[in-house]
Amino acid sequence: DTGVSQDPRHKITKRGQNVTFRCDPISEHNRLYWYRQTLGQGPEFLTYFQNEAQLEKSRLLSDRFSAERPKGSFSTLEIQRTEQGDSAMYLCASNRGGALNTEAFFGQGTRLTVV
Amino acid sequence: DAKTTQPTSMDCAEGRAANLPCNHSTISGNEYVYWYRQIHSQGPQYIIHGLKNNETNEMASLIITEDRKSSTLILPHATLRDTAVYYCIVRVDRNAGNMLTFGGGTRLMVKP
Repeated sequence: DTGVSQDPRHKITKRGQNVTFRCDPISEHNRLYWYRQTLGQGPEFLTYFQNEAQLEKSRLLSDRFSAERPKGSFSTLEIQRTEQGDSAMYLCASNRGGALNTEAFFGQGTRLTVV
Repeated sequence: DAKTTQPTSMDCAEGRAANLPCNHSTISGNEYVYWYRQIHSQGPQYIIHGLKNNETNEMASLIITEDRKSSTLILPHATLRDTAVYYCIVRVDRNAGNMLTFGGGTRLMVKP
């Protein structure tokens, strides 16, 4: 257990439905990241928060995707109007930035299956 | 960030050293070499990183060639639990963020 929690671990949804995932980072970590991983591939960066500010978004993050970190603690990733191509593992990571920069710790991910 | 090249898969006997190579011929002077691994059904796990000098920690050793164009991750006494995909990542250790660019990695199979 790395200390980064993701919920749910698995989600099956019908095409066109909206889904929301939650990530609880390690409490003292001010940075939080979302990645997506499809079968047989390495994780791909989606977006990054420093505290509550979303500082970077990948071009992979289409308009149907939105991420929030309202109080600089937990984060949510919502996918609207899901498509079969959204089926993947969604990974969250966190670290402490700044002078005491630490490496990123990953959660176990949420596996999304769109049917 | 510089691109890396790793073998797709490798086997290693339990108890022997596992040596995982990585080529990064376009690495810049300010770019670090990072290694992560991903055990099945888990998120990636940080192993080690280095700039120029060889590094060692409780998990592994990292050997970087003098020209920095390649490196080797060494697991000195591989166990079955070391079976995983190992990712070599080269990036600037900028303070703006720790976004990681993963390639395909090397699938290490440790066999009894």
